[in-house]
Amino acid sequence: DTQVTQSPSSLSASVGDRVTITCQATQHISDYVNWYQQKPGKAPNLVVYDASNLEPGVPSRFSGSGSGKHFTLIISNLQPEDIATYYCQQYGSLPFSFGQGTKLELK
Amino acid sequence: QVHVQQWGAGLLKPSETLSLTCTVYGGSFNDQYWSWIRQSPGKGLEWIGEVKNRGGPSYSPSLKSRVTISRDASWTQVVLQLKSVTAADTAVYYCAKLRGRSSWGQGTLVTVSS
Repeated sequence: DTQVTQSPSSLSASVGDRVTITCQATQHISDYVNWYQQKPGKAPNLVVYDASNLEPGVPSRFSGSGSGKHFTLIISNLQPEDIATYYCQQYGSLPFSFGQGTKLELK
Repeated sequence: QVHVQQWGAGLLKPSETLSLTCTVYGGSFNDQYWSWIRQSPGKGLEWIGEVKNRGGPSYSPSLKSRVTISRDASWTQVVLQLKSVTAADTAVYYCAKLRGRSSWGQGTLVTVSS
């Protein structure tokens, strides 16, 4: 089974900061990674699909990169509305798996 | 634009069977693979299984003995059944297309309590 290790588990940042979240897979999964934003009481919201494609409607300060085993989500110029928990998810091999989540807080 | 609407019983007793349904509106249902995911209170996301347009479903090894996921193309519906539930199965359950541009249902809170 392919496991994904997401880091950090929590992060405190200021408005305007650049934030980096990483996911590392135990096997090569090409670019089959999605990134989600989840706010309390809501379903996860797709931010980036296929590792680097920004979902329409998502602000351009979000970007994704990576292939193979290493993936990154970057939020440049952090805004208050970006405060949420972020998850990566791999669909390169079954069973699918999610990262443990990164809880982003305002400093 | 794909829209996913899900429903089912929200309160179960231990040993009962959980049954949830989602209906998919828009998109090409027959070309899509659909998953169920759950999230226990305060916890992360757990993949339960996926049903394909052809061939058998795939399940999480930890739930495989208790879970069945099926699809009905006529009604563009996906059904989750989980047998012999316990308190550990209390969670919000989501129906979603996870490959590529994903689409998610609104989630259904299922509580297992005697």
